[in-house]
Amino acid sequence: LAKTTQPISMDSYEGQEVNITCSHNNIATNDYITWYQQFPSQGPRFIIQGYKTKVTNEVASLFIPADRKSSTLSLPRVSLSDTAVYYCLVGDEDQTGANNLFFGTGTRLTVIP
Amino acid sequence: NAGVMQNPRHLVRRRGQEARLRCSPMKGHSHVYWYRQLPEEGLKFMVYLQKENIIDESGMPKERFSAEFPKEGPSILRIQQVVRGDSAAYFCASSYGGGQFFGPGTRLTVL
Repeated sequence: LAKTTQPISMDSYEGQEVNITCSHNNIATNDYITWYQQFPSQGPRFIIQGYKTKVTNEVASLFIPADRKSSTLSLPRVSLSDTAVYYCLVGDEDQTGANNLFFGTGTRLTVIP
Repeated sequence: NAGVMQNPRHLVRRRGQEARLRCSPMKGHSHVYWYRQLPEEGLKFMVYLQKENIIDESGMPKERFSAEFPKEGPSILRIQQVVRGDSAAYFCASSYGGGQFFGPGTRLTVL
């Protein structure tokens, strides 16, 4: 399993764009990059997933450089409700969905009024 | 479409008792995963099951822990003779072959 490294914590003011970068130097050819958000006492919630270049949905954008050794989750105009722990995961996702996800310690984002 | 359901949400057991945690996957999902999370830590993979089969149990302790996903009914994570170190949040996730969707978790407290 490819291991990931991300900052332990980040602070941001409301309305700002937040970029959280994750390193995954040993990412394999078959690996996808997935980001989850977790609020206290809740299960992780899927945010976005990508393989290369850029992926955007209604919640966030994911930027992946050509070498795929890192990725950046971008949250536009954060609000107080975005305060949570964000996990970057790298895992194989084959046709049977046998993806064994490795959660690191995540990045604790605190949004300040 | 209801999400992944777990019950109970909170479970208190005394040392030596058994704990049974239940997980009902999302409709149409045939893959179930169990994770454990200690305070201030990330989730740790325990076991991955498909209907009636254990596919990967590499993260599950060899003793006292077992998991099943019968043809009918929810997946069960069973912990026998619980110890204080088993106190944690246990999350279940399900998938149909794509991304995993997580339940709200069961918080186990061992007194």
